[in-house]
Amino acid sequence: QQQVKQSPQSLIVQKGGISIINCAYENTAFDYFPWYQQFPGKGPALLIAIRPDVSEKKEGRFTISFNKSAKQFSLHIMDSQPGDSATYFCAASIGETSGSRLTFGEGTQLTVNP
Amino acid sequence: ETGVTQTPRHLVMGMTNKKSLKCEQHLGHNAMYWYKQSAKKPLELMFVYNFKEQTENNSVPSRFSPECPNSSHLFLHLHTLQPEDSALYLCASSRALAGDNEQFFGPGTRLTVL
Repeated sequence: QQQVKQSPQSLIVQKGGISIINCAYENTAFDYFPWYQQFPGKGPALLIAIRPDVSEKKEGRFTISFNKSAKQFSLHIMDSQPGDSATYFCAASIGETSGSRLTFGEGTQLTVNP
Repeated sequence: ETGVTQTPRHLVMGMTNKKSLKCEQHLGHNAMYWYKQSAKKPLELMFVYNFKEQTENNSVPSRFSPECPNSSHLFLHLHTLQPEDSALYLCASSRALAGDNEQFFGPGTRLTVL
């Protein structure tokens, strides 16, 4: 059962534009929602994360918007740059003392054209 | 670099071979993970180790055998694999503290089973 659904599968944006990637989750016990960025030949790296007690978190050009009632969250990349071209994964987990178990979305391949 | 290293980076093996993947983390973490990343699919959690103890086996076939001799090292022993096991195998580590969910990933081992 897919617990975190991500869309779109691929996205092409012009330089300077806004990239928006959406995720929806099912398990209301999730309390941590990170976004990971993965470049070819590299492992995923944490980009930004949010907890459900806030509706928005911004770090530089990257913003997470969180809608608890709709069980949805999204990543907005402002002023997208060619260097942002990568695969983006949303994820969700429940904090536990025995290590966190991340449930990932399917990923979005972002291409930013110069 | 994330502080998580994986060797080898690429591996080609036949279905009757036995090989091992190695992961080492230099971050002082206590939890380590193996993930499988296949094209157009979400990252699949395979195993979780917390303080060297396996705390999760996500219904992984017995042809994959993990080993965690200490909190810094994690192995994945492979034998009699199938072509559908070809994928990128990612190792990750994290602190094993409640509410601390960030996982740091290695670059992965690209496995091809002939």
